[in-house]
Amino acid sequence: DAGVIQSPRHEVTEMGQEVTLRCKPISGHDYLFWYRQTMMRGLELLIYFNNNVPIDDSGMPEDRFSAKMPNASFSTLKIQPSEPRDSAVYFCASAAGTSGNTIYFGEGSWLTVV
Amino acid sequence: SQQGEEDPQALSIQEGENATMNCSYKTSINNLQWYRQNSGRGLVHLILIRSNEREKHSGRLRVTLDTSKKSSSLLITASRAADTASYFCATAWGGADGLTFGKGTHLIIQP
Repeated sequence: DAGVIQSPRHEVTEMGQEVTLRCKPISGHDYLFWYRQTMMRGLELLIYFNNNVPIDDSGMPEDRFSAKMPNASFSTLKIQPSEPRDSAVYFCASAAGTSGNTIYFGEGSWLTVV
Repeated sequence: SQQGEEDPQALSIQEGENATMNCSYKTSINNLQWYRQNSGRGLVHLILIRSNEREKHSGRLRVTLDTSKKSSSLLITASRAADTASYFCATAWGGADGLTFGKGTHLIIQP
């Protein structure tokens, strides 16, 4: 299995621009998670989906952030408009089965907003 | 918050020594997991211990769980330079499907 695939791996964008991060979960996994990692806050859960349905988006920092999962093999996290404080590593992860099972992470998307 | 807290924040030891990292959490959990993150990479699952287990082994890793003290420890025996990484504990608790991660222990193994 190829694991969780994220793109782009690195992105540098100007403040105010729209950023779209993409994720392909492991085939057969029914949970998909978006995490954000910064030095200050550590690893934060932004949103997660179960069977393509958003379950908990309470971690999404504000309305500028949105996430979609149109099908079982694809998800996007969009930031519009982007701000310098959004600079972070964004991880997509997937898991199979019920709560608390092992989560498999992608390599992350390193976002820098200047 | 359910967030686990790792201790110490940073640890530097000589190759061949044992490394011990601790994790404390605040409320009841279903299980506790340890992950490793190499610089610039994603997190990789190491081991899962359920709330009714007290100790678990996997290769050079030994994890203990004390639910009465709400704490866990990760022991890496006979450390190697390749063990240099950040180590995170993550808790899974009833009513939520996502794991809550601590801020990690940065482990440096000096050759």
